[in-house]
Amino acid sequence: AQSVTQPDARVTVSEGASLQLRCKYSYSGTPYLFWYVQYPRQGLQLLLKYYSGDPVVQGVNGFEAEFSKSNSSFHLRKASVHWSDSAVYFCALSLTRNMGYKLTFGTGTSLLVDP
Amino acid sequence: DTTVKQNPRYKLARVGKPVNLICSQTMNHDTMYWYQKKPNQAPKLLLFYYDKILNREADTFEKFQSSRPNNSFCSLYIGSAGLEYSAMYLCASSGTGSNTGQLYFGEGSKLTVL
Repeated sequence: AQSVTQPDARVTVSEGASLQLRCKYSYSGTPYLFWYVQYPRQGLQLLLKYYSGDPVVQGVNGFEAEFSKSNSSFHLRKASVHWSDSAVYFCALSLTRNMGYKLTFGTGTSLLVDP
Repeated sequence: DTTVKQNPRYKLARVGKPVNLICSQTMNHDTMYWYQKKPNQAPKLLLFYYDKILNREADTFEKFQSSRPNNSFCSLYIGSAGLEYSAMYLCASSGTGSNTGQLYFGEGSKLTVL
């Protein structure tokens, strides 16, 4: 069965610093990969997705992620974080993109940006 | 409007009593999902409707029921709540036609079973 691992439960960075949130997946093929973010008192929102092609995908608010098949990873990056980026970030994968997306999520990484 | 609405936002239930959670969306999405989220755990897919077809995960097959009377509404029903059902329940929807992989999530319904 497929799985997603986010090894860092909590990450604290200073405003303006660069950020990397780690995500590793377990699946023999190439899944569809996603990053979702949950801001306080809001529902999860899609940040970015990877289906195929260029391994670096751009998302909203300056976020990007890089897919690595050799490392089974899909790490999220941002060059310079803002205090408003404080949120919980979830990595997820799906094996299907027809008749619904059965997302398998990681446990999430809680990001705190010190102003 | 890209909103998924869930009711109630907070639900207190007694052990052994039924619980019904409601979700609605106005985006004409063909797929609606229910996830269970417990603290420090990953959101776990319970079931989803693709159009009128209900798909339930094998390990939660007996524990949760659902109905989708029309395209906009979907419910999650627990016949007899146990302490282990205390969790946040997340509803989401997606449109296969757009093929973006984007699920739209509601804010969740927090269920506490006592």
